[in-house]
Amino acid sequence: NAGVMQNPRHLVRRRGQEARLRCSPMKGHSHVYWYRQLPEEGLKFMVYLQKENIIDESGMPKERFSAEFPKEGPSILRIQQVVRGDSAAYFCASSPGDGNQPQHFGDGTRLSIL
Amino acid sequence: KNQVEQSPQSLIILEGKNCTLQCNYTVSPFSNLRWYKQDTGRGPVSLTIMTFSENTKSNGRYTATLDADTKQSSLHITASQLSDSASYICVVSVSSGTYKYIFGTGTRLKVLA
Repeated sequence: NAGVMQNPRHLVRRRGQEARLRCSPMKGHSHVYWYRQLPEEGLKFMVYLQKENIIDESGMPKERFSAEFPKEGPSILRIQQVVRGDSAAYFCASSPGDGNQPQHFGDGTRLSIL
Repeated sequence: KNQVEQSPQSLIILEGKNCTLQCNYTVSPFSNLRWYKQDTGRGPVSLTIMTFSENTKSNGRYTATLDADTKQSSLHITASQLSDSASYICVVSVSSGTYKYIFGTGTRLKVLA
């Protein structure tokens, strides 16, 4: 019973390139959450998705960032025209439902912008 | 403003000792409070989830308490082990339409032999 899988674990991009981060939730989980963690800081909520729907994207920058969770395949967090300030660890979590359900986290993608 | 504050920022203890980590929150409307353990380079792992009506919950050597009146929670670790060295994160869930999760910045615990 595999946990939440994120890939790649490490991603290096030059300024102006695009970054695509993938998250495969646990089997049976239809809720996916993306978080960003800067060094020495806590996790910050970015976006909450259910299959094919964005439920809450209030934590995601309006420009350059987008997320999707298609009917088939992993959830994708996409960052266009990356800048140095996008360097961070991006974590994905999944749960079978909302409310009092535990969230299961992946081990993150560490994005470095040169 | 919804906030979660944890103390201390960091803590060093000797193996076998007990310790208590604190979490204060100003969150409304409150739904639940969670404690996570995050090892370096890994994602957080859930330790406990407590709702408004729960005062205490245990998970092995970890015991979390919740005082909803004072909006405080604590995580007590008994008989610490070297593997307890990690960051411990308090997360409070806000229920307003959809659920929002407010994360504390964590307490970095180092257990020494």
